[in-house]
This record gives sequence, structure tokens and C-alpha cells, in this order.
Amino acid sequence: SQELEQSPQSLIVQEGKNLTINCTSSKTLYGLYWYKQKYGEGLIFLMMLQKGGEEKSHEKITAKLDEKKQQSSLHITASQPSHAGIYLCGAPTNAGGTSYGKLTFGQGTILTVHP
Amino acid sequence: DTAVSQTPKYLVTQMGNDKSIKCEQNLGHDTMYWYKQDSKKFLKIMFSYNNKELIINETVPNRFSPKSPDKAHLNLHINSLELGDSAVYFCASRGTGTNTEAFFGQGTRLTVV
Repeated sequence: SQELEQSPQSLIVQEGKNLTINCTSSKTLYGLYWYKQKYGEGLIFLMMLQKGGEEKSHEKITAKLDEKKQQSSLHITASQPSHAGIYLCGAPTNAGGTSYGKLTFGQGTILTVHP
Repeated sequence: DTAVSQTPKYLVTQMGNDKSIKCEQNLGHDTMYWYKQDSKKFLKIMFSYNNKELIINETVPNRFSPKSPDKAHLNLHINSLELGDSAVYFCASRGTGTNTEAFFGQGTRLTVV
């Protein structure tokens, strides 16, 4: 079965610093989702990547999928306290990402940003 | 309007009780899920339903029984609650088409005492 491993498991940074979270898959990825979770809330969709080498940005967050489609990184530029939360990567477990297929998630990265 | 809504948000109950968590989505999606997030924040799928039919059951104890009265609702009933059932339970829904994103509810924090 596919496994997703995130690193680091937790990260504490000073406001204004850049940071990167990695997500590595044991198998070729058919798509890769990034979600953010704040305490006591549900998961908020950030970005989805599908093609090898693809890169997407939203505000100060950039996500990339490597050419081999087995690793993704999430980069935050000039972090702010509002970026704090748990970041999860998720991937469909079958080719084509059929809608009723499950998403497998990494174990999450807990990000703390000190003002 | 909330896309995926779960009730209750918090649930504290004693061991041995039976409880239900309700989930509704107003997105017109065909597929709904239940996920469990443990104390280490690890999110694992429990069930997947597509058009009211069970598609995935990830070796969940049969004390857990999902019920989908229609494709907009997926409720989770838990019998004989155990301490280890304490977790946050998330409902999610997903539309048709390849690689569509899943929308998650706010979660139900279940504490079994």
C-alpha cells in the first residue's frame, strides 16, 4: 500500500523566516494534495499537483512535485503567525484518481511561527 | 453556507455507550468519507461511500457502522464505545472527475471516559 512520509514532523520558526516541508511517497504519485489544519478545525485545501515538475503558488505558499512524481515540497516565504497549523499531504491511491478512491495522508507537519 | 457539516463538534461519553455522528454535504458530491485522526494527528480513512454504496471499509471494527440515507448524508454510528475510540473524526466529500479535491467537515472530537 502507498505510504506518505512528511518531514519534518514539527517545525518552529521565527516570523519572517522561510521554511520547507517535504512529502515523500513510497510509490509514484497520481496526484498530490496539500491541506492545512488549524486546531479544532477541518482541513483546508491549499493546492493540488498532478504533473511531474509542476509548481503552483498561492500568496506566500509554493508547492512543487518532482519530475519523478515521488516527492513534493511545500515552501512558505516570509512566514507569519497565520501560517501556523498542521500541514498534511495527501494522495489518491489509484491511477486517474477516481473520485471514490481514498486519499492517503502523510502524518502531518506541525508548524509553529513565533512573532 | 457550510459545504460539509458535522454534528456534534464535541462529544464526551462513557465507555460502553452507543453514539452517532452526523454528516451532511451540500456540494452535490457523489462520494463521502469518514476519516479518523488520532492523538498523533495521523489521518486515516475508515469508510468511503459512493452514491450511498459502501466502497471502502478499512478494517474498522464492526462496532463502527456507517449509514448513508441519501448521497448528501453519511452518518457514523459507534456501538460499545472504548477508550481507544477517542479521536477526532472527519467527514469529507469529493466530486466526480479525476483528482478532484476533497472537502472536509470541521471534525467531531470524541472523548470516551
